[in-house]
Amino acid sequence: EPEVTQTPSHQVTQMGQEVILRCVPISNHLYFYWYRQILGQKVEFLVSFYNNEISEKSEIFDDQFSVERPDGSNFTLKIRSTKLEDSAMYFCASSVGQRLEAFFGQGTRLTVV
Amino acid sequence: RKEVEQDPGPFNVPEGATVAFNCTYSNSASQSFFWYRQDCRKEPKLLMSVYSSGNEDGRFTAQLNRASQYISLLIRDSKLSDSATYLCVVPREGFQKLVFGTGTRLLVSP
Repeated sequence: EPEVTQTPSHQVTQMGQEVILRCVPISNHLYFYWYRQILGQKVEFLVSFYNNEISEKSEIFDDQFSVERPDGSNFTLKIRSTKLEDSAMYFCASSVGQRLEAFFGQGTRLTVV
Repeated sequence: RKEVEQDPGPFNVPEGATVAFNCTYSNSASQSFFWYRQDCRKEPKLLMSVYSSGNEDGRFTAQLNRASQYISLLIRDSKLSDSATYLCVVPREGFQKLVFGTGTRLLVSP
């Protein structure tokens, strides 16, 4: 069964450092997303990506964040200068269509110290 | 009203019980709805999609009530393995994002 894969599963970084979280969406999917979940809180939307550009972003997704699809398979989330409050589980997801089911990767647990 | 609202629970039920969760949504134009299951510190996994009045898959039944703007999830014959958090998810119409409820925690005991 096709699945979304994310690497690394866990990353620890010092405050102020840059991190890149990687994702390989399901191959025939057209819409890609990043969500995050702070421990004990609900899943929050960060950004959606379609046709090689950002189609929507939340207020959380400020200038410190960027996304890229550098080749035909990878989808990355970069956080330029991490803050303590960026510590969370980051989930990548993909879907075939806009209102259709999204499938999530297993997540990257980011810990900023 | 919140965009997607769920009772956080926890719902404590014995094995074999039937349990139901409700989820209310604020946008009457919403067309599709999803129930996801999330185990502790894991990713949300799609459980059911609802595009019309309802859907059924084995022990799980989802029902949509458009007039009252809620969707429900019914679990029959609960198993220990059903213990998890159940997330109600509604795509925001006109936008490419899913809006998650806070989730309802289910604990099934022997």
